[in-house]
Amino acid sequence: DADVTQTPRNRITKTGKRIMLECSQTKGHDRMYWYRQDPGLGLRLIYYSFDVKDINKGEISDGYSVSRQAQAKFSLSLESAIPNQTALYFCATSDLHRQETQYFGPGTRLLVL
Amino acid sequence: GESVGLHLPTLSVQEGDNSIINCAYSNSASDYFIWYKQESGKGPQFIIDIRSNMDKRQGQRVTVLLNKTVKHLSLQIAATQPGDSAVYFCAENTGSARQLTFGSGTQLTVLP
Repeated sequence: DADVTQTPRNRITKTGKRIMLECSQTKGHDRMYWYRQDPGLGLRLIYYSFDVKDINKGEISDGYSVSRQAQAKFSLSLESAIPNQTALYFCATSDLHRQETQYFGPGTRLLVL
Repeated sequence: GESVGLHLPTLSVQEGDNSIINCAYSNSASDYFIWYKQESGKGPQFIIDIRSNMDKRQGQRVTVLLNKTVKHLSLQIAATQPGDSAVYFCAENTGSARQLTFGSGTQLTVLP
């Protein structure tokens, strides 16, 4: 969905490095989410935010942090990357009045060496 | 914790045939279900949703059926086309935070 963009689309980093993944949306949605997808598995929720400055942990938040400084932007950071954080990362948004329906970005493929 | 799962990891169908993708859920408190399609290299794309007060909902070429008695959800695709080849995920929404729990997905392959 072109309304939700993620940068970078691909990233290779080394163990121990700090990296940031960015998500921007033009849908005007209040809620934003970060998911991780591993091969053969469904999406797992890392963090979510219902509004600016609101941060909530998801199922697998350890090793990650997020920042929601503006309604349209939600960034995900890996404080000290490790190889098992190699995965496909998706950002999603949803509207306050129809919060269950989430719209996803194109994903960021991350490789930690 | 409870989770959403799929009966079959892969499904191959002939072009023009109908496809049925199944999903089992175990949380009886789930009241909203959604199907996503994920093409290679892309993010999940919303297909259709259904609330627990409904048994059936139809979209364009797609139908979702919900059987609450056996906690089963299915996605039917009519006249399957090559562009339907993708991984299909079901997800359920429950809890006070209204979060989605995703199944592991079914790979649909459309044969010429």
